[in-house]
Amino acid sequence: DGGITQSPKYLFRKEGQNVTLSCEQNLNHDAMYWYRQDPGQGLRLIYYSQIVNDFQKGDIAEGYSVSREKKESFPLTVTSAQKNPTAFYLCASSPSGAGGTQYFGPGTRLTVL
Amino acid sequence: GDSVTQMEGPVTLSEEAFLTINCTYTATGYPSLFWYVQYPGEGLQLLLKATKADDKGSNKGFEATYRKETTSFHLEKGSVQVSDSAVYFCALSDMNTGFQKLVFGTGTRLLVSP
Repeated sequence: DGGITQSPKYLFRKEGQNVTLSCEQNLNHDAMYWYRQDPGQGLRLIYYSQIVNDFQKGDIAEGYSVSREKKESFPLTVTSAQKNPTAFYLCASSPSGAGGTQYFGPGTRLTVL
Repeated sequence: GDSVTQMEGPVTLSEEAFLTINCTYTATGYPSLFWYVQYPGEGLQLLLKATKADDKGSNKGFEATYRKETTSFHLEKGSVQVSDSAVYFCALSDMNTGFQKLVFGTGTRLLVSP
């Protein structure tokens, strides 16, 4: 089945540690995105990538980093510089010419202790 | 910049009641409009979309009409079910950034009781 997978579903880390969230898609989509969701808020864009080996900062990129070495994969690293990393993280992808439609993974809930 | 405003929740209804969730937007140009749904602990799923004025998106009994004159895209369903309990997000595609960025509202939680 085609889709977007994120792993793990739940992640716990100690304060000060970097952590990497996985996002893989087998939909052959060109663009991929990372969002952060906090209770009572909409989704906020962290980073996006429209093509392999290229990515751009979104609205809240500080304290995060990404890579796009393969079309299928867009991992997100939450660094120790992120002041409030506990949140629900969602990965999405979209094909070219989708008119804005994005397809979402199941999300990873990160809790920093 | 572009923005989306949704009614605050939760919206609490009994099964088979009529549902309306209001959504208004501010945008330059002519964005596409979307409703996404999020079930507990899951990612977002596209519910419906409309790409131009007066278009009606529909899916699973839900409908929304792109109203340019009132800059609105209200979500409606004639008879809700318990299984419709979820958070609903209105969104628009912002074409001003050079790529198809989605701008989301804050979400409206729907609770349907038997």
